Amino acid sequence: EAGVTQFPSHSVIEKGQTVTLRCDPISGHDNLYWYRRVMGKEIKFLLHFVKESKQDESGMPNNRFLAERTGGTYSTLKVQPAELEDSGVYFCASSRRPPQSDTEAFFGQGTRLTVV
Amino acid sequence: AQSVTQLDSQVPVFEEAPVELRCNYSSSVSVYLFWYVQYPNQGLQLLLKYLSGSTLVKGINGFEAEFNKSQTSFHLRKPSVHISDTAEYFCAVIRYSSASKIIFGSGTRLSIRP
Repeated sequence: EAGVTQFPSHSVIEKGQTVTLRCDPISGHDNLYWYRRVMGKEIKFLLHFVKESKQDESGMPNNRFLAERTGGTYSTLKVQPAELEDSGVYFCASSRRPPQSDTEAFFGQGTRLTVV
Repeated sequence: AQSVTQLDSQVPVFEEAPVELRCNYSSSVSVYLFWYVQYPNQGLQLLLKYLSGSTLVKGINGFEAEFNKSQTSFHLRKPSVHISDTAEYFCAVIRYSSASKIIFGSGTRLSIRP
């Protein structure tokens, strides 16, 4: 079974440009999450999809960030326009059910975004 | 609000020595507790979790953690480390009532010296 896959693994863009990150969850996982780690700090929650619906987007930093999950399969996270403080590692995770009790959330390798 | 504190950003130890990675949390409600590990160039992987029951939890690769409610701690231990344990370790919590958010600590980088 393939794990959570994220594209690209690295991205370097200039301030003001647009970048789109993609996450392919494990097949059959309705729950998909985005997290971000900035400059070696803690990993912070961004949002949670259940199928194609946004269940919780309280962690999205501002309206320059747009997440979508059309059809309830893969998800994209677009940053437009990118700012220097958006640099960091963006993790995606998926699970069959929310990650409480007996359900595990599986994480991808992350996308390292550098805004210069 | 919940928070997770990992007091040590880096822990160097010699191979075959014991190690303890410290984690304290603060929460006004009950939480589930986790340790995740990130090996170089890999994603986060669940090491172990505490949901209820016995306060001593055993995980993969010989790691264990003990939940101490009075001290609000969930320290990770291994009696004898190997070079392959070189990684970054993250303590995390989830509120009982939250279906979404894993709240992570800032991570502890474990480096093993031969």
